[in-house]
Amino acid sequence: EPEVTQTPSHQVTQMGQEVILRCVPISNHLYFYWYRQILGQKVEFLVSFYNNEISEKSEIFDDQFSVERPDGSNFTLKIRSTKLEDSAMYFCATTGDVVSYGYTFGSGTRLTVV
Amino acid sequence: GENVEQHPSTLSVQEGDSAVIKCTYSDSASNYFPWYKQELGKGPQLIIDIRSNVGEKKDQRIAVTLNKTAKHFSLHITETQPEDSAVYFCAAIYNQGGKLIFGQGTELSVKP
Repeated sequence: EPEVTQTPSHQVTQMGQEVILRCVPISNHLYFYWYRQILGQKVEFLVSFYNNEISEKSEIFDDQFSVERPDGSNFTLKIRSTKLEDSAMYFCATTGDVVSYGYTFGSGTRLTVV
Repeated sequence: GENVEQHPSTLSVQEGDSAVIKCTYSDSASNYFPWYKQELGKGPQLIIDIRSNVGEKKDQRIAVTLNKTAKHFSLHITETQPEDSAVYFCAAIYNQGGKLIFGQGTELSVKP
């Protein structure tokens, strides 16, 4: 079964450093999403991306966050200057269309900011 | 606003019993309601979903019911097994762009 692959699985970073989280979507999927889950809390929407641009972003997704699809395959989430409160699991999700949905989530990147 | 409420937050059942988790949503335009199972250290895995034109859907031991008038939907797991132990999340689609809004999660524990 096709998978969404995320790397790294765990990232530890110093506060103020930049991090890039990577996702390889399923090959024929066109809609990409990033979600965040703080430990013990619910999964929260960050951003959706389609046709090489952001479709929607949440209040969490401030100027410190950015997304891009640099090479047509990877889909990345960049946090420019990490804060302690950015510590969370970050999930990439992709779908082929927003009519039949059929989202697939990656296994996540655990980001720890120290 | 965009909101999905999920109850209970924890649920403990004996193996073989049924488990029911309930969710309510706020946007009457929502038309897709998936349920995800999340095991420790893993991403959410879709276990069943339902669309707004259907009132009930069943897949072996798992069923989902939807009441559009009341804006609530429920997950039913029958003949529970220890491997059903996990955190379960409901979600609702909130716009045409496919944004999912998740409930708070239910930690299900099935005791052998």
